[in-house]
Amino acid sequence: EAGVAQSPRYKIIEKRQSVAFWCNPISGHATLYWYQQILGQGPKLLIQFQNNGVVDDSQLPKDRFSAERLKGVDSTLKIQPAKLEDSAVYLCASSLAGVSYNEQFFGPGTRLTVL
Amino acid sequence: GENVEQHPSTLSVQEGDSAVIKCTYSDSASNYFPWYKQELGKGPQLIIDIRSNVGEKKDQRIAVTLNKTAKHFSLHITETQPEDSAVYFCAAPSSSASKIIFGSGTRLSIRP
Repeated sequence: EAGVAQSPRYKIIEKRQSVAFWCNPISGHATLYWYQQILGQGPKLLIQFQNNGVVDDSQLPKDRFSAERLKGVDSTLKIQPAKLEDSAVYLCASSLAGVSYNEQFFGPGTRLTVL
Repeated sequence: GENVEQHPSTLSVQEGDSAVIKCTYSDSASNYFPWYKQELGKGPQLIIDIRSNVGEKKDQRIAVTLNKTAKHFSLHITETQPEDSAVYFCAAPSSSASKIIFGSGTRLSIRP
């Protein structure tokens, strides 16, 4: 079974530039998550989708971050404009359903460096 | 859930010895406690979980214990091996139960 795919794996940009990340979840998984993991910290949920609808985006900085999940499969996360504090690993995860006791399967992440 | 504290932040043990990582949570309604292992350059991976209706669960060399009264749970790794070196995260459900809150992580190093 293929895992969660993410691209790119690494990205370096200058502050105020834009960047986009892509995620392809495990086939059949209805729930998709985007996490931000700052160095030395645990993953912090940015947004959770159930199919193509948003379940939770309470911690998404909506003035600069946006995400979409068209057709309930792939998802993209965009940052515009980027700030220095956005430097982190952005993890995508998926699960069968959007309840806390469902195992989440994580992709390898995209490491973003903002200069 | 909502607030999950994890200790220690780093842990170094001799190969073959045991390692213990502890977490506390604030939401007394929490009923599911997973542990994830993150190796360098990879995403976290679930290694064991426990639900609130049991006090302990074991899977080969790893075990998790839960004390609901004290609102803390622990990961125990026995007979540690080099491949156990990684960052370990505990987690607990948020009050909405639709998501989990991760602890800050423990970097475990196994000394040969």
